[in-house]
Amino acid sequence: AQKVTQAQTEISVVEKEDVTLDCVYETRDTTYYLFWYKQPPSGELVFLIRRNSFDEQNEISGRYSWNFQKSTSSFNFTITASQVVDSAVYFCALSENQAGTALIFGKGTTLSVSS
Amino acid sequence: GAGVSQSPSNKVTEKGKDVELRCDPISGHTALYWYRQSLGQGLEFLIYFQGNSAPDKSGLPSDRFSAERTGGSVSTLTIQRTQQEDSAVYLCASSLRGQGYEQYFGPGTRLTVT
Repeated sequence: AQKVTQAQTEISVVEKEDVTLDCVYETRDTTYYLFWYKQPPSGELVFLIRRNSFDEQNEISGRYSWNFQKSTSSFNFTITASQVVDSAVYFCALSENQAGTALIFGKGTTLSVSS
Repeated sequence: GAGVSQSPSNKVTEKGKDVELRCDPISGHTALYWYRQSLGQGLEFLIYFQGNSAPDKSGLPSDRFSAERTGGSVSTLTIQRTQQEDSAVYLCASSLRGQGYEQYFGPGTRLTVT
C-alpha cells in the first residue's frame, strides 16, 4: 500500500496565484515524521520542512505554509503568491518510527509557474 | 559549510561492468543514506548507515548492490554486473543523527547502463 500519496501529478499556475500541494500519508506508528522537499530543475533535493507527529501546529515561512492534520492524515503545503522560481517537483515524505529512519517518498507534484 | 558531495556526477557503463559511486557526507553527520531515483519507481531507499551500527540494507534491490562506509564518513555504493534497469540517479543524503532528523541530499550520480 502506498504510504505517501501525492494525488496531484502536475499543477500549472500563473505568477502570484496561491497554490496548495496535497499530501496524504498512511502509518500505524504513533511517532513519525513528515517532510517536504523541493527538487528544482537543477536536480538537487532541497529540504523545506520537518514535522513530528506530536506537533500539529501549522507553520509559516515567508510565502510557504504547511497544514498538518492528523485527523485526515494530511500534510499539505501552500505557496502564497507563487513565483516562477517556485517551479519544481515537490516531494512529501514520511519517516516511520518502527520502520527505521529511511524516508518514504510520495511520487511528487510537478509545479509549473508561468509569468 | 560544505554540503553532501557525490562523484562522479555522471557515469556511463556497459552492461555487465561494475561501478562504484562515492558520497562525502556533511562533516559531523553520523547518518548516511543512499536512495535511487528513476522515472518508473520514484525515490527509493537503498541503505542506511548510522555511526558504528550495522547498516540497514533492507532497500537494496539485489545482491549485486553493496555499500560501505569507511571511518564513519565517506561511503561507496558498488553495483556489480550492472543491468540496464540499474540506470537511475543515485542520491546520497546525510543527517545529523538518525530517526527524525532532516536529511540533506547531494547532487546525485546519474548512472546510464548501455
